[in-house]
Amino acid sequence: DAGVTQSPTHLIKTRGQQVTLRCSPKSGHDTVSWYQQALGQGPQFIFQYYEEEERQRGNFPDRFSGHQFPNYSSELNVNALLLGDSALYLCASSSPGTVLHEQYFGPGTRLTVT
Amino acid sequence: AQKVTQAQTEISVVEKEDVTLDCVYETRDTTYYLFWYKQPPSGELVFLIRRNSFDEQNEISGRYSWNFQKSTSSFNFTITASQVVDSAVYFCALSEEVRRALTFGSGTRLQVQP
Repeated sequence: DAGVTQSPTHLIKTRGQQVTLRCSPKSGHDTVSWYQQALGQGPQFIFQYYEEEERQRGNFPDRFSGHQFPNYSSELNVNALLLGDSALYLCASSSPGTVLHEQYFGPGTRLTVT
Repeated sequence: AQKVTQAQTEISVVEKEDVTLDCVYETRDTTYYLFWYKQPPSGELVFLIRRNSFDEQNEISGRYSWNFQKSTSSFNFTITASQVVDSAVYFCALSEEVRRALTFGSGTRLQVQP
């Protein structure tokens, strides 16, 4: 049973460019959340998708947008990249069927903006 | 607003020592969930435990134990007889609802020396 997978593993972009990160949830999970983790800090919640709609959003600008597909996979898009967007982007999935209701995290995508 | 504070930035111990990681939280909700996650150098967050606000019973799992005290808004994590493999960054997190956004602390880096 595959866990949460994310692609790509690493990414280098230039300021002002746009980037798309991808996440496949754990089998049987229908909810996907995205977090940004700057170096030396705890993850910060970006948004959560459920039934292909954004259900909850953290304190992030509109440059950050997302999408969830019918197969529950998700994309995170960031426009007009800033140097401060350099971080580890973590995807987490969960399901109402999960006994402990915990969110399972993927290995992350390391984004570097130069 | 929710807040999680992990005052210990970094702890270094020698193998076989016991170590306690502190976590203090703030929330206005009467029902909430507390979590501990481990982040090894690979970057993936590994779920360790979830606690509900209405269940203050302490828990022990092998060398790990957790002390939840609502009166002091604390949810501390103790590793008994630490091992080198315990070296990682540990995060405490809070959620107002199951499967909703997690608010993380800034993490405590634990280094266990052989």
